[in-house]
Amino acid sequence: AQSVSQHNHHVILSEAASLELGCNYSYGGTVNLFWYVQYPGQHLQLLLKYFSGDPLVKGIKGFEAEFIKSKFSFNLRKPSVQWSDTAEYFCAVNLYGGATNKLIFGTGTLLAVQP
Amino acid sequence: DAGVIQSPRHEVTEMGQEVTLRCKPISGHNSLFWYRQTMMRGLELLIYFNNNVPIDDSGMPEDRFSAKMPNASFSTLKIQPSEPRDSAVYFCASSRSNQPQHFGDGTRLSIL
Repeated sequence: AQSVSQHNHHVILSEAASLELGCNYSYGGTVNLFWYVQYPGQHLQLLLKYFSGDPLVKGIKGFEAEFIKSKFSFNLRKPSVQWSDTAEYFCAVNLYGGATNKLIFGTGTLLAVQP
Repeated sequence: DAGVIQSPRHEVTEMGQEVTLRCKPISGHNSLFWYRQTMMRGLELLIYFNNNVPIDDSGMPEDRFSAKMPNASFSTLKIQPSEPRDSAVYFCASSRSNQPQHFGDGTRLSIL
């Protein structure tokens, strides 16, 4: 069965530090990959997505993610975090061209940025 | 562009009562998803519909939960009878085929 692993459950950083959140998935076929962000008290919002093409994907608010097929990974990065990036981050995957739009979500990583 | 609309935003009720959560997906989206989010279990997919048809309800906790989608623009999630352990934030999301899901603001449910 497909699964998504986010190894970091809690991350605490100071402002201006660099961020990398890990995401690995288990599926041998072609996949669509997503990162969602949930700010405190709000709903999930799409941060960025990968469907095909350039494996380095740029998202909103200076975030980017790199799809490494050989490692089944889609890590999220930001060179310099801000206090406003404090949120929970979810990695998700679904089958490329699949019959359904069901997403498999990771368990989330809670990021706290200290001013 | 109106997003996914959920109602009510907050619901507080006593255990044993029936609870109905409502969702209006984005127009043109053919898939609709119901999720539950708690501190203990994180984000769980309860059920999803494709073209108004339930495809996978394996995440529905038990028979007290039921969901319907009578048409392309409306879905309900019912809990009857409700229990304190059902307290959570319930999110509805919708999408087009092979496109990202868009989430509503959620319903924060408290069962006393």
